Amino acid sequence: EVQLLESGGGLVQPGGSLRLSCAASGFTFSSYAMSWVRQAPGKGLEWVSAISGSGGSTYYADSVKGRFTISRDNSKNTLYLQMNSLRAEDTAVYYCAKALGYCSSTSSCYFDYWGQGTLVTVSS
Amino acid sequence: SYVLTQPPSVSVAPGKTARITCGGNNIGSKSVHWYQQKPGQAPVLVIYYDSDRPSGIPERFSGSNSGNTATLTISRVEAGDEADYYCQVWDSSSDHRGVFGTGTKVTVL
Repeated sequence: EVQLLESGGGLVQPGGSLRLSCAASGFTFSSYAMSWVRQAPGKGLEWVSAISGSGGSTYYADSVKGRFTISRDNSKNTLYLQMNSLRAEDTAVYYCAKALGYCSSTSSCYFDYWGQGTLVTVSS
Repeated sequence: SYVLTQPPSVSVAPGKTARITCGGNNIGSKSVHWYQQKPGQAPVLVIYYDSDRPSGIPERFSGSNSGNTATLTISRVEAGDEADYYCQVWDSSSDHRGVFGTGTKVTVL
C-alpha cells in the first residue's frame, strides 16, 4: 500500500525558513517523480514544485522560484521542500504527491497518490 | 503562463448528470487529469489522460477533451459525489510546470 506522510509544518515568522519532509513507502521511490502541491485556507490547489526520480531535474512555480528548493534522498525514501524567505501568502496546507509520468520538458504527469498534508502558517 | 478556468459551482439533483468544464487555450492538445477533494481530505484522482479511470473509481465518472474545453461528467449523481473538483495539466511549453484549474464545487441538491 502506497503511503505518503508529510511532516515539518508549523508556525513561522515572515522571512523565516522551514523544511518539509515526506516519507514514502509501498512503492519503488526512486522510480517516480514527486511533487509538492499546496492549498491556502479556503482556496484551490496550487502546484509548487516537482522533481524527477533521480533528483536530477527540478521544476518550480514562479511564485516560489528562488525561495523554495525541492530535493529527495532515495536511500531514505524521503522527499523534501526547503522553504526560505517565507511570506504570509505561503500559508497553506502542503501536500506531497507521487507522480505518474516524468513531469519533464517532454513528458506530462499527474498525481495518483497524495499525502494528508502538513499546515504551514506564516505569521508574526 | 497557462491558465485553466472552471465554473465556481455546479448544482445537480440526485440521479441526474453533472458536467464540469475546464477551459484552456487549445487544451485539446494536452492531457487533462481530474481530482475530487472532499472537505478536510486530500485530493483523489478520478480521471487521467482525459478519459481513463483509476481502479476503484465508479464508471459514472467519465471525461472528454477537445478544442479549448475539457469536461468531467458525473452520471447518476449521488450525495457522496458532493465535493470540489479540479482539472490539471502539465504545461510542457516554455515553462515546465503543473497547472491546476480554479476548481468547481459540486452541490447535490
